[in-house]
Amino acid sequence: DQQVKQNSPSLSVQEGRISILNCDYTNSMFDYFLWYKKYPAEGPTFLISISSIKDKNEDGRFTVFLNKSAKHLSLHIVPSQPGDSAVYFCAARAYSGAGSYQLTFGKGTKLSVIP
Amino acid sequence: DTGVSQDPRHKITKRGQNVTFRCDPISEHNRLYWYRQTLGQGPEFLTYFQNEAQLEKSRLLSDRFSAERPKGSFSTLEIQRTEQGDSAMYLCAGEDGWRWNYGYTFGSGTRLTVV
Repeated sequence: DQQVKQNSPSLSVQEGRISILNCDYTNSMFDYFLWYKKYPAEGPTFLISISSIKDKNEDGRFTVFLNKSAKHLSLHIVPSQPGDSAVYFCAARAYSGAGSYQLTFGKGTKLSVIP
Repeated sequence: DTGVSQDPRHKITKRGQNVTFRCDPISEHNRLYWYRQTLGQGPEFLTYFQNEAQLEKSRLLSDRFSAERPKGSFSTLEIQRTEQGDSAMYLCAGEDGWRWNYGYTFGSGTRLTVV
């Protein structure tokens, strides 16, 4: 079963407009949510995170919103730039019981920002 | 430079051969993770080290897989008797236990192709 779902495999947005990437989760034990960005032939790079006790976190052009009752989070990028074109992974953290907080990743959404 | 180095970047091997990958995190990364990513999927957890102790293994890690982290520094992941289904990107990630809200720092990965 997929505990973290990104239902949109791809998204195209015009430069300067807003990009909204969505993520749904099913496990109520997730306490932290993160977004990673991945370029081809590179590992994922941490972008922004949010604790489950908050509903919004902002960092420059990037804002993550969390709706805990709906088990839904979204990443907003404003304004979108061509350099934002990448695959974005939503990840959720839960304590695994062995001293580690495991991340569970969605399948990713490929964002293309058109100049 | 992500601070986590992986070697080699690419590996092509014949089915049935053994392969070994290496990961070098930075000294602050007391936690080290191995993930595997296949095409169209997000990274999937394989195993976790707290310093030199391997504390958790995924059921994805069959008995053909073994990982070590001697002295809590670099880590190796070995796959014995490789199968075509092992073809994937193998990602290593380090985490500073005191800065967990900054997420994992991933290496660039080792892409394994089993022919």
